[in-house]
Amino acid sequence: EAGVAQSPRYKIIEKRQSVAFWCNPISGHATLYWYQQILGQGPKLLIQFQNNGVVDDSQLPKDRFSAERLKGVDSTLKIQPAKLEDSAVYLCASSPGPQNTEAFFGQGTRLTVV
Amino acid sequence: DAKTTQPTSMDCAEGRAANLPCNHSTISGNEYVYWYRQIHSQGPQYIIHGLKNNETNEMASLIITEDRKSSTLILPHATLRDTAVYYCIVRAPLRAGNMLTFGGGTRLMVKP
Repeated sequence: EAGVAQSPRYKIIEKRQSVAFWCNPISGHATLYWYQQILGQGPKLLIQFQNNGVVDDSQLPKDRFSAERLKGVDSTLKIQPAKLEDSAVYLCASSPGPQNTEAFFGQGTRLTVV
Repeated sequence: DAKTTQPTSMDCAEGRAANLPCNHSTISGNEYVYWYRQIHSQGPQYIIHGLKNNETNEMASLIITEDRKSSTLILPHATLRDTAVYYCIVRAPLRAGNMLTFGGGTRLMVKP
């Protein structure tokens, strides 16, 4: 079974630029999560989708971050404009449903803002 | 979700059992205890979960105290590949949103 795919693996941008990350969840998984992990900390949930609807985006900085999951499959996370403090690993995860016990994580995208 | 407390770091000798403690004194009756681990440069990986009975799978054992205020993850024969950050999480899977809220975790170093 293919895992959660994320791209790019690494990205370096200057502050005030924009960037987008892509996630392809495991086939058939209805629930998709985006997490932000700053170096030395645990992952922090940014947004959770159930199919193509948003379940929770309470910790998403909506003035600069946006995410979409068109057709309930792939998802993109965008930052515009980026700040230095956005430097982190952005992790995508999926699970068959919201009540499923196990979430499967991708390898993440490491973003460096200079 | 209930907050958890874990030691920041632990060492374990290769081949010995690694016992990782977690305190969750404010856990509610419907909240489960989950363990994930994160190996360097990888995403978190699910290990095991339980409600009140002890659980065992091919990766680890989970021991939950009778009052459910603490638990221990046991890796019976730690290998160098078990070096990772281990996260203890409590959550209610039937709650709307069903979020995984990670804390700081325990950094386990398995040494030869």
